[in-house]
Amino acid sequence: GENVEQHPSTLSVQEGDSAVIKCTYSDSASNYFPWYKQELGKRPQLIIDIRSNVGEKKDQRIAVTLNKTAKHFSLHITETQPEDSAVYFCATEGGGSYIPTFGRGTSLIVHP
Amino acid sequence: NAGVTQTPKFQVLKTGQSMTLQCAQDMNHNSMYWYRQDPGMGLRLIYYSASEGTTDKGEVPNGYNVSRLNKREFSLRLESAAPSQTSVYFCASRRDRGGSGELFFGEGSRLTVL
Repeated sequence: GENVEQHPSTLSVQEGDSAVIKCTYSDSASNYFPWYKQELGKRPQLIIDIRSNVGEKKDQRIAVTLNKTAKHFSLHITETQPEDSAVYFCATEGGGSYIPTFGRGTSLIVHP
Repeated sequence: NAGVTQTPKFQVLKTGQSMTLQCAQDMNHNSMYWYRQDPGMGLRLIYYSASEGTTDKGEVPNGYNVSRLNKREFSLRLESAAPSQTSVYFCASRRDRGGSGELFFGEGSRLTVL
């Protein structure tokens, strides 16, 4: 089955810095790549997603880039704020499977 | 419109006891999922139901059973709880089986097995 690796597991930044989280996947047939944010004690919620026919997508301070050749995709957060502190999960889906496979998560800490 | 509702939110069990986690969604979604979340392990799929009347195993199904009672409800049962099943359980749903995007999660159920 699909294998998704997410790095780093923990990321600590100063407010205003940029943060980048990277995921690699194994199934070349994967065609949907969402990112979820989970605040402490809360449920995961979708923040941005990208499909395989698009290389980059932006939504205000967050962006996702996809490199299908290298089989990796990344979440970019610019001008980080303390409320960005959370655990972020990448996921992949597609090909013969309609089951989302999640990475292990990145704990982002933004220091004021 | 409540979204995805899970009960109970907290539960403490003794080894060998049984219990059922309930999940209901009011978004007319076809697919429903049960995940468990453990520190450093991400979200691992236990079982899913692509549509009413069907269920399939996920990555970590051992020790669990599920029932898709109707389109709205998808329950997870632990027949004989073990300490290794101590975890936070999330139910999720979405409109279609795949490729259509967002998973909507419930608030989670924290289970402790002593």
